[in-house]
Amino acid sequence: NAGVTQTPKFRVLKTGQSMTLLCAQDMNHEYMYWYRQDPGMGLRLIHYSVGEGTTAKGEVPDGYNVSRLKKQNFLLGLESAAPSQTSVYFCASSSGIHNEQFFGPGTRLTVL
Amino acid sequence: DAKTTQPPSMDCAEGRAANLPCNHSTISGNEYVYWYRQIHSQGPQYIIHGLKNNETNEMASLIITEDRKSSTLILPHATLRDTAVYYCIVRVVGSGNTGKLIFGQGTTLQVKP
Repeated sequence: NAGVTQTPKFRVLKTGQSMTLLCAQDMNHEYMYWYRQDPGMGLRLIHYSVGEGTTAKGEVPDGYNVSRLKKQNFLLGLESAAPSQTSVYFCASSSGIHNEQFFGPGTRLTVL
Repeated sequence: DAKTTQPPSMDCAEGRAANLPCNHSTISGNEYVYWYRQIHSQGPQYIIHGLKNNETNEMASLIITEDRKSSTLILPHATLRDTAVYYCIVRVVGSGNTGKLIFGQGTTLQVKP
């Protein structure tokens, strides 16, 4: 089992560019989450999904979109990147609402 | 979800028990206490969770006070690899809940040789 994987690991964008971050899990989990972590801070929830074909907003959804077309994948899109989106992005998945969340290794994104 | 308060940092000698406190005085009856940790630059890792009884697993023990207003995570024999930021999280578990975790600032535990 690879667990939760994230692609890419690092990326540098210019302001206004777009990109998609991919999260994949091989544990057949229903729930998936995207968080961001800024320096010296805890994680903040961007968007989440409670099952294939469903998505919902978290604490800080502005500037991001998500899709969950397949159960194992959860995509996070930035349509027009801004320097304020420079952060480390973590994806997580869980089998149930009260079960432990498994986190990926993170994607370090810098927007110039 | 109830807010939590943790000390920003703690030190512990290698081989000794590390006791990490968490205050959650506004916790309600259907909220669980969860602990995660984050080793530098890695994704958070689940440690343990509980409702009102003390819990133990292969990683740690969780002691919750009788009034549930505070808890302590115990790492019985801390090693250098336990150096990390430890997050105490309180969340509702039940129908309609999304399972999302709300992370605070956590406690940075430094295990020293």
